[in-house]
Amino acid sequence: GENVEQHPSTLSVQEGDSAVIKCTYSDSASNYFPWYKQELGKGPQLIIDIRSNVGEKKDQRIAVTLNKTAKHFSLHITETQPEDSAVYFCAAGFHNTDKLIFGTGTRLQVFP
Amino acid sequence: EAQVTQNPRYLITVTGKKLTVTCSQNMNHEYMSWYRQDPGLGLRQIYYSMNVEVTDKGDVPEGYKVSRKEKRNFPLILESPSPNQTSLYFCASSFKGRYRAYNEQFFGPGTRLTVL
Repeated sequence: GENVEQHPSTLSVQEGDSAVIKCTYSDSASNYFPWYKQELGKGPQLIIDIRSNVGEKKDQRIAVTLNKTAKHFSLHITETQPEDSAVYFCAAGFHNTDKLIFGTGTRLQVFP
Repeated sequence: EAQVTQNPRYLITVTGKKLTVTCSQNMNHEYMSWYRQDPGLGLRQIYYSMNVEVTDKGDVPEGYKVSRKEKRNFPLILESPSPNQTSLYFCASSFKGRYRAYNEQFFGPGTRLTVL
C-alpha cells in the first residue's frame, strides 16, 4: 500500500554543521513532496515543498532534492542553528488520492 | 489572524464516554483533515473533507466520526472512546486548489487526549 519511510528517526549535529533527512515513497505516480517542521508543543508547519516536475528546490539554508527514479527525496539543512531543533516530517501526495501520507518523523537536535 | 483552532487542548476521559473535539479555521479553506500523532508512527490521517458535506476515510478511521456541515468547522467525534485512542490529535486545513489537496496544510495546535 501507500507508504513513506523516513530516516533517521533521530539526528544530532553540532551548530554550523549540515543535516540531511531522507525519505522513500512507494507510489511512483506520487507528485507532491512537502516537508513540515514541528516545534515542541505546536502543530507541524510547512517549511518547503517540491513537485515532481523539478529535481531540487532551495530556500535560504533549506533545500529539498527529489530522485523520481529511485523514489527518494531528501531535506538538507546547512549551517544549522539551535532553533532548527525540532521534529521534521516528510510527506507524499499519492496519485488519484486527496491525502498526504506522512513519514514517521525525525527528531533533529542542534547542539551549540 | 489566519489560524486553525482546536478545543479542548487537553482532555482526560474514561472509556465509553462520548466526546467531541472541535476544529475551526478562518481561512475559507475547502479541505480539512484530522490526524493522530503517535510515537514512532508519525502523523496518520483519520478523516478528511474536500468541502461541505463531503467527507472520506483516511488511513485510521475506525472508532471516529466526523461531520462537515459548515465550511469553517470540522469536528471529530469519538462515540465510545477506548484507551487505544489515547493520542495527540491535529486538525489541518488547506485550499483545495488545482492539484487536489496538494497545497500547504495549516495545522492547529493539537489536542492531547487520554482515555482511561
